[in-house]
Amino acid sequence: QVQLVESGGGVVQPGRSLRLSCAASGFTFSSYAMHWVRQAPGKGLDWVAVISYDGSNKYYADSVKGRFTISRDNSKNTLYLQMNSLRTEDSAVYYCARESEALDIWGQGTMVTVSS
Amino acid sequence: EIVLTQSPGTLSLSPGERATLSCRASQSVSSSYLAWYQQKPGQAPRLLIYGASSRATGIPDRFSGSGSGTDFTLTISRLEPEDFAVYYCQKYGSSSITFGQGTRLEIK
Repeated sequence: QVQLVESGGGVVQPGRSLRLSCAASGFTFSSYAMHWVRQAPGKGLDWVAVISYDGSNKYYADSVKGRFTISRDNSKNTLYLQMNSLRTEDSAVYYCARESEALDIWGQGTMVTVSS
Repeated sequence: EIVLTQSPGTLSLSPGERATLSCRASQSVSSSYLAWYQQKPGQAPRLLIYGASSRATGIPDRFSGSGSGTDFTLTISRLEPEDFAVYYCQKYGSSSITFGQGTRLEIK
């Protein structure tokens, strides 16, 4: 079945780095743009970044621009989010999502906690 | 950047009643790129409506979306117990994507 599974979350100190992964299955990954969306505990949804189907175009929220990098490996059906210079306000559940008609498929999320 | 403002913040209704949720944009939004999501505690969001008025796959027909320009509405015609959740509107389809702050639909 169509599925997205995130991994790579954890507890990290401010200023450090973390890389999230999102493994896709059940659909032709290389045909779809992909997004990262985060949600801080008890808060709303916050869009992070998007990458085009072939990786040629990438866009970021202002809050993460210059610190986070979205990428993909279509040969491995995997989406990535490299997060550098992490801040406490980056603590959230991070979801990957497929863009078809809007964001139609979401993963279950992976928790990132930035704390000293 | 377009800001989406949802109202009310919380809506208290009973099963069987009709729910009307509003999403207002700070600038005109193409109807082709306005979506609604439902999120229950501990779960990922689920796409309900895309293109302002098209139901996503598997979404019951008690959910409907309407609107254009800066004013959009999600209507749930007759609330079922499983409909009590948080609902978000979203502008998508460009390099800048935004969500509304959400409306919590709670059981009265």
